[in-house]
This record gives sequence, C-alpha cells and structure tokens, in this order.
Amino acid sequence: DTGVSQDPRHKITKRGQNVTFRCDPISEHNRLYWYRQTLGQGPEFLTYFQNEAQLEKSRLLSDRFSAERPKGSFSTLEIQRTEQGDSAMYLCASSLEYSPGELFFGEGSRLTVL
Amino acid sequence: KQEVTQIPAALSVPEGENLVLNCSFTDSAIYNLQWFRQDPGKGLTSLLLIQSSQREQTSGRLNASLDKSSGRSTLYIAASQPGDSATYLCAPLRYQAGTALIFGKGTTLSVSS
Repeated sequence: DTGVSQDPRHKITKRGQNVTFRCDPISEHNRLYWYRQTLGQGPEFLTYFQNEAQLEKSRLLSDRFSAERPKGSFSTLEIQRTEQGDSAMYLCASSLEYSPGELFFGEGSRLTVL
Repeated sequence: KQEVTQIPAALSVPEGENLVLNCSFTDSAIYNLQWFRQDPGKGLTSLLLIQSSQREQTSGRLNASLDKSSGRSTLYIAASQPGDSATYLCAPLRYQAGTALIFGKGTTLSVSS
C-alpha cells in the first residue's frame, strides 16, 4: 500500500467555477478526514467519515462544500462557486477506528482561485 | 473549545544544536497528542504519538514529553541537522465524541550547515 493519495495535486480555477478533489485512503482504514490549510496556519478540520457515514462537520464547511464517501473507500470533496478565499491546501487523512488520532496524511491538493 | 499554541513560531539554529519546541493546549482532557512534521508544500508526517497515560516517547533523536495537568508538550530534537528543517505541528486529540485533531500553527525550524 502506498499510503493516502490525493488527486489532483494542484488545481487552478477561476472564481465561480466548481472543483472536486479525490482522496484514496489506506485500504484498511475505515476513517477518513478532510482538513484545510492556509499559508502559515495549521490544518483546520473540515469533516470526517467512518466508513460511508459522515459523522462530523466543521462550521468551516459552508453550503458550497460537500463531501462524500459513497462506498466507504475513496472520498470526494466538492467546492461549488469557488471564491478567492477558498484558495488553500486541502489535506486528506485516514486512520483505523481503534487508533483514534493516529492519522496518516496525503500530500494534499493545492487550490488556487483566481 | 481546544486551543493549541506553539512557541516559538520560527527558529533558526546552526547544525548540531539541541533544541526544544513547545506546545500548550487549553483543554487537558485529551486522549493523546501527536507531533507531526511538514515540509513546504507537502502533507504531514507523523513523528511521535503520546498516549495520555504516557509522559514521553522517543524516536531516534526526537523525544516528546507530555504533561496533561499543565496542558503542555515539548518536542526535543538532539544534534539538529539541516534535514530537520521543516514545520513542526502538535495536535492533541480530545476525548469527546468528535475525533478531529486540533492543530497549532506550528514552529518553522531552519537548521543551517
């Protein structure tokens, strides 16, 4: 297993466009997390899934953001009507349910909104 | 609400120095605490995980301590090397139902040769 993979690694888009990021977790991990990180800040929690159930969402996750994990494996994070303030690194992580906090992160997807 | 503070925000040292990075958190009811390393433009790599029942963990030149009662953790790096240059982040995990790690802003370390 090669770890958590994210795609695309970089995305440049114009304001108002929709973007989607994909995360493939470590295969046996049933928990999947999305974080957002802006320059000079630590990662901020957005949402997490246990299997296909979305169990927690941050207030940062506005109505323009939606995350899914339909089959309990890969996950997608969609941002609709992007704004310049959405420019950030979007990080995905996965873990085992019985090892809470022991997160394994992907390399991230960097979004630039022009 | 858990708040995490890391001091200093940035640190520059010559190669070979021993150094200490500090992390403080406001809610001491934590399950564990993790230290991560992040290289520029990259994801996070876990360095050390300390359970709430432990006082310290060691991995090579790294030693992390945890004092739950005072809400503090320190990461000690011995004999620093240029390859240690990165941002170091601490993240306590709270007991409550949510399992999200709360991160500090990190300490950016630069080790010169």
